[in-house]
Amino acid sequence: KAGVTQTPRYLIKTRGQQVTLSCSPISGHRSVSWYQQTPGQGLQFLFEYFSETQRNKGNFPGRFSGRQFSNSRSEMNVSTLELGDSALYLCASSFGSSTTTDTQYFGPGTRLTVL
Amino acid sequence: QKEVEQNSGPLSVPEGAIASLNCTYSDRGSQSFFWYRQYSGKSPELIMFIYSNGDKEDGRFTAQLNKASQYVSLLIRDSQPSDSATYLCAVHAGNMLTFGGGTRLMVKP
Repeated sequence: KAGVTQTPRYLIKTRGQQVTLSCSPISGHRSVSWYQQTPGQGLQFLFEYFSETQRNKGNFPGRFSGRQFSNSRSEMNVSTLELGDSALYLCASSFGSSTTTDTQYFGPGTRLTVL
Repeated sequence: QKEVEQNSGPLSVPEGAIASLNCTYSDRGSQSFFWYRQYSGKSPELIMFIYSNGDKEDGRFTAQLNKASQYVSLLIRDSQPSDSATYLCAVHAGNMLTFGGGTRLMVKP
C-alpha cells in the first residue's frame, strides 16, 4: 500500500506571495492533518480534515487555510507569506475514527523557504 | 491548554545500553499515546502506540504507561547507533494529536 505523498517536496517563495501544498493520504484514510515543524517551535498542529470538513483547528492565523476533496486528498494554502512561515510542513493521514488506536502516518513533508 | 512535555536532551547512551525516554501530559482525558522517531531532515515515523496502563513490548522497544501519574515512557534495549534520532511523544485526545517537543537521542559506538 502506498504511503502518504506530498507535493512539492521543496519550495522557495518570497514574502507576500502565496503557496499551495498538496497531500494525498494512504488509500482508505479519510482524515488528513497538517502540521508545521520549525526548530524553535517543534511540531505544531494546523488543522485536520475529515470527510471534506475541517474537524479541528490549531492556533494559526487565518492566512493558513486548507480544504479536502471527495477523494480525501487535501491542500493547504498560505497567503501573504512571511519570513517566519519558513518551515517543514507535514501532513499525516489516518482512518479518522474515534477509536483510541486511530494512528497517523506522516508524509515526507514539504520544505518551504520564504525569502 | 493541553501540554505534552519531553526533555529535549540530548540523551547520550553507549551502544548496547538501554535508553529511557520520558513524557508527561496534562490532559487526563487523553486516550492513547504514540511514540514517533524522526531522523534529521526526515518526517516522523511511528514506532508504537499504547493505550492501556502497563507495558507494551515490540522488539527492542517497550512503551510504559501510567495514567494516574500522567506519564508515558519508551525504553530502547540494546541501543544501536542507528537509533540516534529525535523521539516524539504524541498524545491523542478528542480527535487531536498533540506532540511533545521531542528528545534527541545519541547512541555512541
